[in-house]
Amino acid sequence: GQQVMQIPQYQHVQEGEDFTTYCNSSTTLSNIQWYKQRPGGHPVFLIQLVKSGEVKKQKRLTFQFGEAKKNSSLHITATQTTDVGTYFCAAMEYGNKLVFGAGTILRVKS
Amino acid sequence: GAGVSQSPSNKVTEKGKDVELRCDPISGHTALYWYRQSLGQGLEFLIYFQGNSAPDKSGLPSDRFSAERTGGSVSTLTIQRTQQEDSAVYLCASSSLVGRRAGYTFGSGTRLTVV
Repeated sequence: GQQVMQIPQYQHVQEGEDFTTYCNSSTTLSNIQWYKQRPGGHPVFLIQLVKSGEVKKQKRLTFQFGEAKKNSSLHITATQTTDVGTYFCAAMEYGNKLVFGAGTILRVKS
Repeated sequence: GAGVSQSPSNKVTEKGKDVELRCDPISGHTALYWYRQSLGQGLEFLIYFQGNSAPDKSGLPSDRFSAERTGGSVSTLTIQRTQQEDSAVYLCASSSLVGRRAGYTFGSGTRLTVV
């Protein structure tokens, strides 16, 4: 089945610093989704990327899908304490089943 | 409803007992999923229902786990003869397959503790 590797596992940044998490697959992905899970909460859908080389922005968040559709990244500019949580990428397997990466835990020090 | 509803929110059970976890998806969402998340870990796929099709049970860890979805809406995940390693948060999600490209909406989960 589909597997997605996500790095880093954990990142602790000073408020105002940037943050990036990366997701990689050995196979071509039909699309990739990103989710955020606040501490003690449940995953919340952020965005879906479908096209090769696609870039989408949501305020301070920039999402990219690689040209080969095998990798993706989420970049947060000037982190804030509200950005704290775990960020997951997820790849669509056959049918409509998502396979999630292990997640990147982001901690922001104010 | 407005969101995915799961009950109970917390369940403590003795080893060997059976438990039932309930999920009420968003009205009109044809796809329903169960995932499991152990403390500090990622999301482990358990089972997927889509309309009237046979469910994808490929993620169920053992035959002690089963799930059903009645009337294309509410789903129940049943764990028989619970073991301590079953302790986790069980998350239900639903999605609309319009365009087959929609994100999941997760419920708040059921935290299961087996003692």
